Amino acid sequence: KNQVEQSPQSLIILEGKNCTLQCNYTVSPFSNLRWYKQDTGRGPVSLTIMTFSENTKSNGRYTATLDADTKQSSLHITASQLSDSASYICVVSARDMRFGAGTRLTVKP
Amino acid sequence: KAGVTQTPRYLIKTRGQQVTLSCSPISGHRSVSWYQQTPGQGLQFLFEYFSETQRNKGNFPGRFSGRQFSNSRSEMNVSTLELGDSALYLCASRTSYEQYFGPGTRLTVT
Repeated sequence: KNQVEQSPQSLIILEGKNCTLQCNYTVSPFSNLRWYKQDTGRGPVSLTIMTFSENTKSNGRYTATLDADTKQSSLHITASQLSDSASYICVVSARDMRFGAGTRLTVKP
Repeated sequence: KAGVTQTPRYLIKTRGQQVTLSCSPISGHRSVSWYQQTPGQGLQFLFEYFSETQRNKGNFPGRFSGRQFSNSRSEMNVSTLELGDSALYLCASRTSYEQYFGPGTRLTVT
Protein backbone atom coordinates (compact mmCIF):
# COMPACT_ATOMS: atom_id res chain seq x y z
CA LYS A 1 0.00 0.00 0.00
CA ASN A 2 1.32 3.43 -0.95
CA GLN A 3 2.17 5.50 2.09
CA VAL A 4 0.96 8.63 0.30
CA GLU A 5 -2.57 8.51 -1.10
CA GLN A 6 -4.00 11.28 -3.26
CA SER A 7 -7.58 11.92 -4.24
CA PRO A 8 -9.25 12.30 -6.55
CA GLN A 9 -7.24 10.57 -9.26
CA SER A 10 -8.57 13.03 -11.80
CA LEU A 11 -10.71 16.12 -11.75
CA ILE A 12 -12.34 18.30 -14.40
CA ILE A 13 -13.47 21.81 -13.52
CA LEU A 14 -14.53 24.93 -15.38
CA GLU A 15 -12.24 27.90 -15.67
CA GLY A 16 -12.72 30.32 -12.80
CA LYS A 17 -13.91 27.68 -10.33
CA ASN A 18 -12.10 26.63 -7.17
CA CYS A 19 -11.00 23.10 -6.35
CA THR A 20 -9.35 21.16 -3.55
CA LEU A 21 -7.00 18.21 -3.89
CA GLN A 22 -6.36 15.80 -1.02
CA CYS A 23 -3.30 13.99 0.25
CA ASN A 24 -3.33 11.47 3.10
CA TYR A 25 -0.13 9.91 4.32
CA THR A 26 1.10 7.32 6.77
CA VAL A 27 4.80 8.13 6.44
CA SER A 28 6.53 8.41 9.79
CA PRO A 29 8.54 10.12 11.12
CA PHE A 30 7.48 13.16 9.18
CA SER A 31 9.92 15.81 8.02
CA ASN A 32 8.07 17.92 5.46
CA LEU A 33 5.34 17.77 2.85
CA ARG A 34 5.55 19.26 -0.61
CA TRP A 35 3.12 19.86 -3.41
CA TYR A 36 4.43 19.80 -6.96
CA LYS A 37 2.79 20.80 -10.23
CA GLN A 38 3.76 18.80 -13.27
CA ASP A 39 2.80 19.85 -16.77
CA THR A 40 2.55 17.08 -19.34
CA GLY A 41 5.99 15.97 -20.50
CA ARG A 42 7.80 18.27 -18.08
CA GLY A 43 9.48 17.86 -14.72
CA PRO A 44 7.60 18.65 -11.49
CA VAL A 45 7.83 22.19 -10.15
CA SER A 46 7.55 22.92 -6.45
CA LEU A 47 4.47 24.84 -5.32
CA THR A 48 4.70 24.70 -1.54
CA ILE A 49 6.69 23.02 1.20
CA MET A 50 5.47 22.70 4.77
CA THR A 51 7.18 21.44 7.88
CA PHE A 52 5.53 19.78 10.86
CA SER A 53 4.77 23.06 12.58
CA GLU A 54 3.16 24.80 9.61
CA ASN A 55 -0.59 24.59 9.04
CA THR A 56 -0.90 26.57 5.84
CA LYS A 57 1.28 27.93 3.06
CA SER A 58 0.23 30.00 0.07
CA ASN A 59 1.78 30.55 -3.33
CA GLY A 60 -0.40 32.89 -5.34
CA ARG A 61 -3.68 31.15 -6.08
CA TYR A 62 -2.40 27.92 -4.50
CA THR A 63 -2.93 27.34 -0.79
CA ALA A 64 -1.76 24.19 0.94
CA THR A 65 -2.90 23.09 4.38
CA LEU A 66 -1.45 20.48 6.68
CA ASP A 67 -2.90 18.65 9.65
CA ALA A 68 -0.02 16.65 11.08
CA ASP A 69 -2.27 15.04 13.68
CA THR A 70 -4.58 13.45 11.13
CA LYS A 71 -1.78 13.19 8.54
CA GLN A 72 -3.77 15.01 5.90
CA SER A 73 -2.92 17.80 3.51
CA SER A 74 -4.93 19.63 0.93
CA LEU A 75 -4.10 21.90 -1.98
CA HIS A 76 -6.72 24.53 -2.76
CA ILE A 77 -6.67 26.26 -6.12
CA THR A 78 -8.61 29.50 -6.35
CA ALA A 79 -10.10 30.98 -9.52
CA SER A 80 -8.66 28.25 -11.73
CA GLN A 81 -7.05 29.08 -15.05
CA LEU A 82 -6.51 26.95 -18.14
CA SER A 83 -2.80 26.87 -17.29
CA ASP A 84 -3.61 25.06 -14.04
CA SER A 85 -4.28 21.94 -16.10
CA ALA A 86 -1.55 19.59 -14.89
CA SER A 87 -0.82 16.78 -12.48
CA TYR A 88 -0.40 17.71 -8.84
CA ILE A 89 1.85 15.48 -6.80
CA CYS A 90 2.07 15.28 -3.01
CA VAL A 91 5.48 14.28 -1.64
CA VAL A 92 6.15 13.42 1.98
CA SER A 93 9.70 13.38 3.30
CA ALA A 94 10.80 11.19 6.15
CA ARG A 95 14.06 9.30 5.90
CA ASP A 96 13.43 9.39 2.17
CA MET A 97 10.85 10.93 -0.13
CA ARG A 98 7.53 9.19 -0.74
CA PHE A 99 5.45 10.23 -3.73
CA GLY A 100 1.73 10.17 -4.22
CA ALA A 101 0.38 8.98 -7.57
CA GLY A 102 -0.89 12.48 -8.32
CA THR A 103 -4.18 14.12 -9.23
CA ARG A 104 -4.72 14.96 -12.87
CA LEU A 105 -6.54 18.32 -13.06
CA THR A 106 -8.16 19.52 -16.26
CA VAL A 107 -9.50 23.06 -16.43
CA LYS A 108 -11.98 23.62 -19.26
CA PRO A 109 -13.05 26.97 -20.71
CA LYS B 1 21.08 30.35 -12.63
CA ALA B 2 20.42 27.70 -15.24
CA GLY B 3 18.10 24.92 -14.17
CA VAL B 4 18.64 21.19 -14.23
CA THR B 5 19.31 20.00 -17.76
CA GLN B 6 18.85 16.50 -19.14
CA THR B 7 19.97 15.00 -22.41
CA PRO B 8 18.67 13.65 -24.60
CA ARG B 9 15.05 14.76 -24.22
CA TYR B 10 13.68 11.89 -26.29
CA LEU B 11 15.08 8.47 -27.06
CA ILE B 12 13.84 5.38 -28.85
CA LYS B 13 15.61 2.07 -28.25
CA THR B 14 14.87 -1.56 -28.95
CA ARG B 15 14.65 -4.39 -26.44
CA GLY B 16 18.01 -5.71 -25.33
CA GLN B 17 19.90 -2.51 -26.04
CA GLN B 18 21.42 -0.31 -23.39
CA VAL B 19 21.00 3.41 -22.86
CA THR B 20 22.82 6.21 -21.04
CA LEU B 21 21.04 9.34 -19.88
CA SER B 22 22.78 12.48 -18.73
CA CYS B 23 21.93 15.09 -16.13
CA SER B 24 23.59 18.39 -15.28
CA PRO B 25 22.49 19.78 -11.91
CA ILE B 26 22.07 23.40 -10.95
CA SER B 27 25.45 25.00 -10.40
CA GLY B 28 26.60 24.44 -6.84
CA HIS B 29 24.25 21.54 -6.14
CA ARG B 30 26.13 18.40 -5.17
CA SER B 31 23.20 16.03 -4.82
CA VAL B 32 21.56 14.43 -7.84
CA SER B 33 18.64 12.02 -7.75
CA TRP B 34 17.05 9.97 -10.50
CA TYR B 35 13.42 8.95 -10.82
CA GLN B 36 11.36 6.84 -13.17
CA GLN B 37 7.85 8.01 -13.94
CA THR B 38 5.21 5.85 -15.63
CA PRO B 39 1.45 6.37 -15.89
CA GLY B 40 0.75 3.28 -13.82
CA GLN B 41 3.36 3.63 -11.08
CA GLY B 42 3.84 7.37 -10.79
CA LEU B 43 7.21 8.68 -9.65
CA GLN B 44 9.59 6.06 -8.32
CA PHE B 45 12.98 6.76 -6.80
CA LEU B 46 15.97 5.14 -8.52
CA PHE B 47 19.04 6.45 -6.71
CA GLU B 48 20.73 9.50 -5.26
CA TYR B 49 24.33 10.59 -5.61
CA PHE B 50 26.21 13.05 -3.49
CA SER B 51 29.82 14.02 -4.12
CA GLU B 52 30.32 11.07 -6.49
CA THR B 53 28.98 8.52 -3.98
CA GLN B 54 25.68 6.70 -4.19
CA ARG B 55 23.83 7.69 -1.04
CA ASN B 56 20.47 5.96 -1.51
CA LYS B 57 19.06 3.38 -3.84
CA GLY B 58 15.48 2.51 -4.73
CA ASN B 59 14.02 -0.88 -5.42
CA PHE B 60 15.11 -1.39 -9.01
CA PRO B 61 17.02 -4.28 -10.61
CA GLY B 62 20.75 -4.13 -11.15
CA ARG B 63 20.20 -3.27 -14.83
CA PHE B 64 19.74 0.28 -13.59
CA SER B 65 22.97 1.95 -12.56
CA GLY B 66 24.35 5.41 -12.24
CA ARG B 67 27.36 7.47 -11.45
CA GLN B 68 28.31 11.01 -10.62
CA PHE B 69 31.34 12.91 -11.77
CA SER B 70 33.53 15.37 -9.90
CA ASN B 71 31.64 18.30 -11.49
CA SER B 72 28.38 16.85 -10.08
CA ARG B 73 27.08 15.85 -13.49
CA SER B 74 25.43 12.46 -13.38
CA GLU B 75 24.68 9.66 -15.78
CA MET B 76 22.19 6.85 -15.55
CA ASN B 77 22.58 3.62 -17.48
CA VAL B 78 20.01 0.97 -18.21
CA SER B 79 21.25 -2.27 -19.72
CA THR B 80 19.30 -4.99 -21.50
CA LEU B 81 16.28 -2.78 -22.02
CA GLU B 82 12.80 -4.19 -21.55
CA LEU B 83 9.49 -2.87 -22.87
CA GLY B 84 8.53 -1.96 -19.30
CA ASP B 85 11.46 0.44 -19.07
CA SER B 86 9.57 2.88 -21.31
CA ALA B 87 9.08 5.90 -19.08
CA LEU B 88 9.95 9.48 -18.35
CA TYR B 89 13.26 9.56 -16.48
CA LEU B 90 13.63 12.58 -14.27
CA CYS B 91 16.73 13.94 -12.67
CA ALA B 92 16.67 16.34 -9.75
CA SER B 93 19.31 18.31 -7.92
CA ARG B 94 18.80 19.58 -4.45
CA THR B 95 19.83 21.77 -1.63
CA SER B 96 19.12 20.83 1.96
CA TYR B 97 15.71 22.45 1.63
CA GLU B 98 14.42 22.07 -1.90
CA GLN B 99 14.60 19.73 -4.86
CA TYR B 100 14.59 20.95 -8.45
CA PHE B 101 13.62 18.67 -11.31
CA GLY B 102 14.86 18.65 -14.86
CA PRO B 103 12.54 18.33 -17.87
CA GLY B 104 13.13 14.60 -18.14
CA THR B 105 14.17 12.17 -20.83
CA ARG B 106 11.33 10.32 -22.51
CA LEU B 107 12.57 6.78 -23.23
CA THR B 108 10.56 4.53 -25.51
CA VAL B 109 11.56 0.88 -25.80
CA THR B 110 10.17 -0.99 -28.82
